[in-house]
Amino acid sequence: SQTIHQWPATLVQPVGSPLSLECTVEGTSNPNLYWYRQAAGRGLQLLFYSVGIGQISSEVPQNLSASRPQDRQFILSSKKLLLSDSGFYLCAWNPGTPYGYTFGSGTRLTVV
Amino acid sequence: GESVGLHLPTLSVQEGDNSIINCAYSNSASDYFIWYKQESGKGPQFIIDIRSNMDKRQGQRVTVLLNKTVKHLSLQIAATQPGDSAVYFCAERGSGNTPLVFGKGTRLSVIA
Repeated sequence: SQTIHQWPATLVQPVGSPLSLECTVEGTSNPNLYWYRQAAGRGLQLLFYSVGIGQISSEVPQNLSASRPQDRQFILSSKKLLLSDSGFYLCAWNPGTPYGYTFGSGTRLTVV
Repeated sequence: GESVGLHLPTLSVQEGDNSIINCAYSNSASDYFIWYKQESGKGPQFIIDIRSNMDKRQGQRVTVLLNKTVKHLSLQIAATQPGDSAVYFCAERGSGNTPLVFGKGTRLSVIA
């Protein structure tokens, strides 16, 4: 069966520090991968998605970047965190259209 | 931006009653719709989906209704239980392999 792993679960980082969040999927190949951010009490904002290795689409201009170095690995990064980067970051995958997404357990990022 | 919205941001329901959560969408080309449940501190979990060639789909204690004429989606939960307390999101996908667009969410509180 397919599983999605996301880590760390919580992270407290100072302003100006770098960020690296990792997401991996097991039990499938060539998944579509997604990064969402959720502010407290708000909806899900799509940040990046990828339909293949090295293919990244950005939905919102921001202080973040994404990479897909391997088929089942999706990384969210920042060179210098801002206070506004705080939030709940969710990774998700699906096998393609027309299937829904399976989400990871999320990373709670607090920038101080 | 988000093209899917919700009529009610919060909903309180007595245990055992039926719950109805509503969602409006604006993209008439959307061909796939999903409802997710998100408990506090966790990633969203898939509840039920429906394709645009259907107007009703039933699962265990849940029913999704799709009215394409007025671009309205609803989730009905029968015999609501305390474990149903969560935030519920609807999501839509436009045609093709475009990412899901999520609504802002409705918080369902079940009163024992």
